[in-house]
Amino acid sequence: AQSVAQPEDQVNVAEGNPLTVKCTYSVSGNPYLFWYVQYPNRGLQFLLKYITGDNLVKGSYGFEAEFNKSQTSFHLKKPSALVSDSALYFCAVRDKDTDKLIFGTGTRLQVFP
Amino acid sequence: DAGVIQSPRHEVTEMGQEVTLRCKPISGHDYLFWYRQTMMRGLELLIYFNNNVPIDDSGMPEDRFSAKMPNASFSTLKIQPSEPRDSAVYFCASSFSTGSSYNEQFFGPGTRLTVL
Repeated sequence: AQSVAQPEDQVNVAEGNPLTVKCTYSVSGNPYLFWYVQYPNRGLQFLLKYITGDNLVKGSYGFEAEFNKSQTSFHLKKPSALVSDSALYFCAVRDKDTDKLIFGTGTRLQVFP
Repeated sequence: DAGVIQSPRHEVTEMGQEVTLRCKPISGHDYLFWYRQTMMRGLELLIYFNNNVPIDDSGMPEDRFSAKMPNASFSTLKIQPSEPRDSAVYFCASSFSTGSSYNEQFFGPGTRLTVL
């Protein structure tokens, strides 16, 4: 079965520092991977996706993610964190058999001024 | 485009009452998804439609839950009778298919349901 894991419930980082939110996946074949962000009292918002091609994917708000096939990872990164980046981040993988998105449990990012 | 529209944004009801949640997907999108989010269980897919047809309802928790999509611009999720454990935020999302590509889902703002 397809799955994703987000090993950290929370990540704390100081404003201006680089941030990484981790995600690993387990799929058969080539994965379709996504990152979403959820701000308080809002729906999930698409950040970026990897379907094929360049392993470094650039997305919204200065975020990027690196697809690493050997490590089965798709970590979300940003070179310089902002306080406004504080939110809940979800990694997801497409289940090719059902077309469903399988979401991780989410990682809360807290950026301190 | 106004994005995915959900109503109501908040619903407080008493146990045993019927609850109907509504969703208007983005125009032109042919997939519609209903999710439930709780602290305990995270984000769960309840059911999804393609071209107004239910494709997979395996996530619907029990017979008290039902969903319909009478046309491309409207869907409902109904709970009858409601129970306190149904309290959650319910999200609707939509996406479009383009052949071999898989496109992201666009989420609505959610309906926060509280069953007393």
